Parts: sequence; structure tokens; C-alpha cells
Amino acid sequence: GNSVTQMEGPVTLSEEAFLTINCTYTATGYPSLFWYVQYPGEGLQLLLKATKADDKGSNKGFEATYRKETTSFHLEKGSVQVSDSAVYFCALSAVTGGGNKLTFGTGTQLKVEL
Amino acid sequence: GAGVSQTPSNKVTEKGKYVELRCDPISGHTALYWYRQSLGQGPEFLIYFQGTGAADDSGLPNDRFFAVRPEGSVSTLKIQRTERGDSAVYLCASSLIPPDPRKTDTQYFGPGTRLTVL
Repeated sequence: GNSVTQMEGPVTLSEEAFLTINCTYTATGYPSLFWYVQYPGEGLQLLLKATKADDKGSNKGFEATYRKETTSFHLEKGSVQVSDSAVYFCALSAVTGGGNKLTFGTGTQLKVEL
Repeated sequence: GAGVSQTPSNKVTEKGKYVELRCDPISGHTALYWYRQSLGQGPEFLIYFQGTGAADDSGLPNDRFFAVRPEGSVSTLKIQRTERGDSAVYLCASSLIPPDPRKTDTQYFGPGTRLTVL
């Protein structure tokens, strides 16, 4: 079946540091890939997505590239801020009866300190 | 505009009781999903509705769990004879259905209902 593996947290960085959160997946066919973010006390929000190989999703300074050859979708940001502290979830979608159920990783908590 | 709403935000119940959790999707979204998120884990798929019908209920853990969407909008997740292992945050998401079934559309999540079974 489909699965997503992401690096365990917590990841603690100083403000303005470079961020990488690794994500690899196993899936049949050609899934779409997502990063969702959950800020403290808030619901899940879509951060970025990519729907086919070599696509790059980007938003709020975050980027991730859909790498089919390595089955990866690593999240990067060049300079993190304290406000980026949150839990980040990598996910893939699989077509189901016309819809797209999501399979999530376990989440990576990011803490950014001054 | 209004996002996905879920009620109640918190529900505490005793083992063996029956509970209902409600989801109000974004207006016009025909697809509705339920997920369950246990502590320290990512959300896990439970059931997907396209309109009024459950198109995929493969994630429901057992027959104590049931969900309905009678008018194609609001959905209710029902759990009978609750067990302590049912304690989790139950998330609802909605999306449009893209014309091309090979494509995906963004799922918008509600804030969740935190269920605690004592």
C-alpha cells in the first residue's frame, strides 16, 4: 500500500538557518504530493503541492520538488523564522472512487529559536 | 468565506457510550473526507463521500464507526460503544471534484473534534 516516511523531530533551528525536512514515499501509480502545516492551536493548512514528477511546489519561502527517481519530496526553506515553528506533514494522494484520499507521514515538529 | 467547521470542538464521553461528530464543509464542495489523528501521528483516512454516497469507507476501523451525509452537505460521524482506543482528534476535510479523475484538488481541513473516552 501507499506510505510516507518523514524525518523524526523535533528539529530545532536558530532563526535564519536553512531548513530541510526529508520525505520519501511509496505508492503505486503517480500520486500527487503535499506538505501540510499545523501551527500551534490551529488546524491543518496546505503549504504546497506538486502533481507530477519534477514539479516544484512553493509557498511562503518554502519549496519542495517532486523527485520520482528517488521517490522524495523534501521540504526546504532558506531562512526560517520563529513564526515557522509548527508541525509539518508530508502527504500523498491516491485516487479513490473519483476522490483523493491522503496518506500522511507522522509529522515533523519544527522549533525555531531567536 | 467560511471554512470547514466541526462541532463540538471537544467531546468527553465514557466507555460504551454513543457519540456523534458533525462536519460542515465549505459551500459547494462535493467531496468530504473524515480522518483520525492520534497523538503524535499523522491523520489517517477513514471515509470519503462524493455527494451523498460513501465512495470509499475502507478506513473505518470496525462496524462501530459509521458516517452519513444525507443531503450532500453536512456529514455526521457516529461511533457506537466507544472504547478508550477511540480517543483521538477527528478531522474533516472538503474539496471540489476535479473534472479529470486523474487530477487532485486541495483538501481544506476543519479544526477537528478532540474525542476523549474515559
